[in-house]
Amino acid sequence: AQSVTQLDSQVPVFEEAPVELRCNYSSSVSVYLFWYVQYPNQGLQLLLKYLSGSTLVKGINGFEAEFNKSQTSFHLRKPSVHISDTAEYFCAVRNTGGFKTIFGAGTRLFVKA
Amino acid sequence: DSGVTQTPKHLITATGQRVTLRCSPRSGDLSVYWYQQSLDQGLQFLIQYYNGEERAKGNILERFSAQQFPDLHSELNLSSLELGDSALYFCASSPRGDGGTYEQYFGPGTRLTVT
Repeated sequence: AQSVTQLDSQVPVFEEAPVELRCNYSSSVSVYLFWYVQYPNQGLQLLLKYLSGSTLVKGINGFEAEFNKSQTSFHLRKPSVHISDTAEYFCAVRNTGGFKTIFGAGTRLFVKA
Repeated sequence: DSGVTQTPKHLITATGQRVTLRCSPRSGDLSVYWYQQSLDQGLQFLIQYYNGEERAKGNILERFSAQQFPDLHSELNLSSLELGDSALYFCASSPRGDGGTYEQYFGPGTRLTVT
């Protein structure tokens, strides 16, 4: 069975500092990987996704993530965060042949001035 | 704006009551997913419908049921409500039943408060 672990429930960081939100998954088959963001009082929206090919994926708002098959990780990074990046971030995985997407528990990013 | 609409935005009701949450997927999307988000349980997948048929079931209680209509909108029915059912309920849609390479598009959610 698939599972997703987001290693940090909360990440406080100062504005303009770099940030990394960690995500590990387990699956016995090939997967698609996703990062979603949820701003306060809103639904989730897609930041980026890994389907195949280059392991470095670029998304919206300056975020990027790297797929590491050997470490079964898909960490999200941004070199310089803004106050407006304060939100909850969800990592998700789906088997390439499957239809069920498994979401992690979320990481709350709090950007301080 | 994801193109997924949910009504109502807020709902306050009493324990033991029954409510219906409504979702309209993005134009052209055939799959609808329901999720429950609460502080203690996080984001929990409840159920998926594809083109009117139930496709996958998650942690959905027997007191909850859903359906997808011929026009592809979906309703989530919650009955015999308990305080612990207070949560944000999200609907999401995607083009295909098997997910494919597509992400899910989430609606703004319905906040249910059971008093």
